[in-house]
Amino acid sequence: GAGVSQSPRYKVAKRGQDVALRCDPISGHVSLFWYQQALGQGPEFLTYFQNEAQLDKSGLPSDRFFAERPEGSVSTLKIQRTQQEDSAVYLCASSRLDQGGEKLFFGSGTQLSVL
Amino acid sequence: DQQVKQNSPSLSVQEGRISILNCDYTNSMFDYFLWYKKYPAEGPTFLISISSIKDKNEDGRFTVFLNKSAKHLSLHIVPSQPGDSAVYFCAALTMEYGNKLVFGAGTILRVKS
Repeated sequence: GAGVSQSPRYKVAKRGQDVALRCDPISGHVSLFWYQQALGQGPEFLTYFQNEAQLDKSGLPSDRFFAERPEGSVSTLKIQRTQQEDSAVYLCASSRLDQGGEKLFFGSGTQLSVL
Repeated sequence: DQQVKQNSPSLSVQEGRISILNCDYTNSMFDYFLWYKKYPAEGPTFLISISSIKDKNEDGRFTVFLNKSAKHLSLHIVPSQPGDSAVYFCAALTMEYGNKLVFGAGTILRVKS
């Protein structure tokens, strides 16, 4: 596809349920980022991949959050035992290597609601 | 600790007039600043950027001004158009943090026709 694709678009989970959010980056993009955007806030960095290597996971809020990109393309963000504070829009972004913020392309996000 | 602050949650401007969106930052290590625009149900899209070695960058109707001594930047949109109505995010980069963006909370701009 032409852009970054995320699925599902919306996800409603019961507290304690595990969820998996998928990101298909733009073909050929080496760098992949996950951001969390709470209501009324700006996106906050979660984690960064360069190909399949997770180079920075300093933004993951707890060990319930796990991200992977096993073949250096599609990435999955998994949240175990979801809590209400996990409710947010999860944004994925990709870019070619070392192209900086201007060349960062965001997906439309997955809106997660934990009840 | 919010390192990038957008203190105006919203701004309303008449079509054809100037829109000025403001952003303040606290980390003097930030060396690159960007503005992103976001429509509802879409991801943010890059709008304009400025390096810390410059004080102004212009792209069509959009100009970003940087005042390093005040740790302040602003985005000017002239003339404003109804299609500019969106959420505008200020973001910053520093080599200290690698290539991850630090975003402000955003300002909702409404351009009235």
